[in-house]
Amino acid sequence: KQEVTQIPAALSVPEGENLVLNCSFTDSAIYNLQWFRQDPGKGLTSLLLIQSSQREQTSGRLNASLDKSSGRSTLYIAASQPGDSATYLCAVTSSGGSNYKLTFGKGTLLTVNP
Amino acid sequence: SQTIHQWPATLVQPVGSPLSLECTVEGTSNPNLYWYRQAAGRGLQLLFYSVGIGQISSEVPQNLSASRPQDRQFILSSKKLLLSDSGFYLCAWAGVNNEQFFGPGTRLTVL
Repeated sequence: KQEVTQIPAALSVPEGENLVLNCSFTDSAIYNLQWFRQDPGKGLTSLLLIQSSQREQTSGRLNASLDKSSGRSTLYIAASQPGDSATYLCAVTSSGGSNYKLTFGKGTLLTVNP
Repeated sequence: SQTIHQWPATLVQPVGSPLSLECTVEGTSNPNLYWYRQAAGRGLQLLFYSVGIGQISSEVPQNLSASRPQDRQFILSSKKLLLSDSGFYLCAWAGVNNEQFFGPGTRLTVL
């Protein structure tokens, strides 16, 4: 059974700092990995999708990497801003018979202080 | 472009009452659709998914059910709500490469 862990559970940083959020998964047989952002009381916003054959994806100040063999992904946020404050969720789609289902971590609550 | 709608946005229901939450998707056809629940202090839990009209797969045994009467409509129901059904319910659809896109959610409080 796939399990996804995110570390740290919470992170508080001053504005302008570069930061890294970590995600690990137990079964390396994944189809893809997706990073989401969730604001309080809102739905999830997809940030980046990394296919299993890819090593990284970039969007603006965000960069996500994937090391499938070690079961790890990182989300790098450059020059953080107060508007980046949110919960960041990592999720994997397992390959094979469960090709359509995401398994989520519990998220990292990020606070960027002005 | 594709959009996903959920209603109602919030709902307060007594224990034992019925439930119907609706999700509709626009701008795509025959999407895979999903219902998730997010309870306080817990991660997102997949409840049901559907790969087509009338095709429902259940992930967790519970007193909830799902139906897909139309291609872009997904309904979550219960005949009798329990206190433990409280939570934030999210609907999602899957695009290319199974990238999932989520709706705004329904906050359900069972009293």
